[in-house]
Parts: sequence; C-alpha cells; structure tokens
Amino acid sequence: AQSVTQLDSHVSVSEGTPVLLRCNYSSSYSPSLFWYVQHPNKGLQLLLKYTSAATLVKGINGFEAEFKKSETSFHLTKPSAHMSDAAEYFCVVRGGSQGNLIFGKGTKLSVKP
Amino acid sequence: EPEVTQTPSHQVTQMGQEVILRCVPISNHLYFYWYRQILGQKVEFLVSFYNNEISEKSEIFDDQFSVERPDGSNFTLKIRSTKLEDSAMYFCASSADGLGGRARTDTQYFGPGTRLTVL
Repeated sequence: AQSVTQLDSHVSVSEGTPVLLRCNYSSSYSPSLFWYVQHPNKGLQLLLKYTSAATLVKGINGFEAEFKKSETSFHLTKPSAHMSDAAEYFCVVRGGSQGNLIFGKGTKLSVKP
Repeated sequence: EPEVTQTPSHQVTQMGQEVILRCVPISNHLYFYWYRQILGQKVEFLVSFYNNEISEKSEIFDDQFSVERPDGSNFTLKIRSTKLEDSAMYFCASSADGLGGRARTDTQYFGPGTRLTVL
C-alpha cells in the first residue's frame, strides 16, 4: 500500500533563507508523487508533481523537489523563503486503482520577517 | 485559468439533517473526487466518480453518503443524516483522465472546499 510520511509538522524559517520540507514515501511500485499547498481559507493548489520522468522536479513559485529512490524521499525545497510562502504543505502519493490521492499529515511553514 | 468551484463555502446544519455539497468541476474533466479533512487531521479520500458511477470509495463513504452528477456541470455530495463527526472541510477535485495510459500522471485540481459544521 502507498503512504507518505511528512517528518515535520511545523517548520519555521526567516525570510530569505532556504526552505526544506521533508517527505518519505512508501510504495510497492514506481510512485506518482505530488506536493500541494494550502493557504489559509484557500483550496489545495498543486505545487509540483513527479511521474517517473526527471528526478528533479521544478514547480511554481520557485519550489522544487527531488525524487530519491534509494532514500524513498521526495523533499520540497526553495532557495529563499518569501513571506507569502507561509502556508500548509502536503506531500501526496497516488494510490488505488482509480487514482485517489493519499495525503501526508501536512507541514505548516511559518516565515519570519 | 479554469478552476473547480464549490458551494457553499460554509454550511451549518443540525445533527440528523440532510446536506448537499455542490461542486462544479473543470469543464472538460471526466473524473471527479470528494475528499474531506477533519480539523487537525489528514485529508482523506472519500469517493471517485466516472461515467456516471462510483469508481472507488473508501470505508468512510458509507450508506449515509451519495454522489451524483445531476447535469452536465454539477457534481454533488449528499450526506443523508449528518452526525457530529461529519464536521469537516470537504474538497471536490477533478481530473482530465484517471485511467488508461495517462492515469498515473494526471493532476487532480481541487476546489476551495466547503466547511461543514454539524451541531
């Protein structure tokens, strides 16, 4: 069965410093992995997705994630945090025969001025 | 850019009442989903829907729940007799393709959610 584990429930960074949000996955086959972001009172927005093409995936707003099969990881990074990045981030794996998504518990990112 | 819309944004109801949550998926999409997020918990899959029938459902999606695509644009989730534990944010999602050669690459686009409060 597919699953994802987000290793931090809360990450706090200063504006202009790098962001690292960690995610490990478990999958019995080559997974499709996603990062979604949820700003307060907003819906879930897709940041990026990995679908067995390039292992380094670039997303919107300067985010990227690297798929590392040897480490079963799919960590999300950004070189320089912006105040507008403050939100909750979800690591997601596609599971099931009909493509339903399996979400991690989420990591709340705080950005200090 | 096309987007998934949901109404209402917030619904308050009494325990035992029926509620209908509405979603308008992206117009050329074929696959539709409902998820929910109880406060402080993970987003959980409820049901997927394709070609006017349920494709897959989770164990949460019991007989109290039903889905329908009553016309060419709306996709609804009905809870027949609400319980306190149904209080959650309900998200609708749609994708262009869920099966076939592109099934594993397709993106689900989410609506802003409906916050359901059962009193």
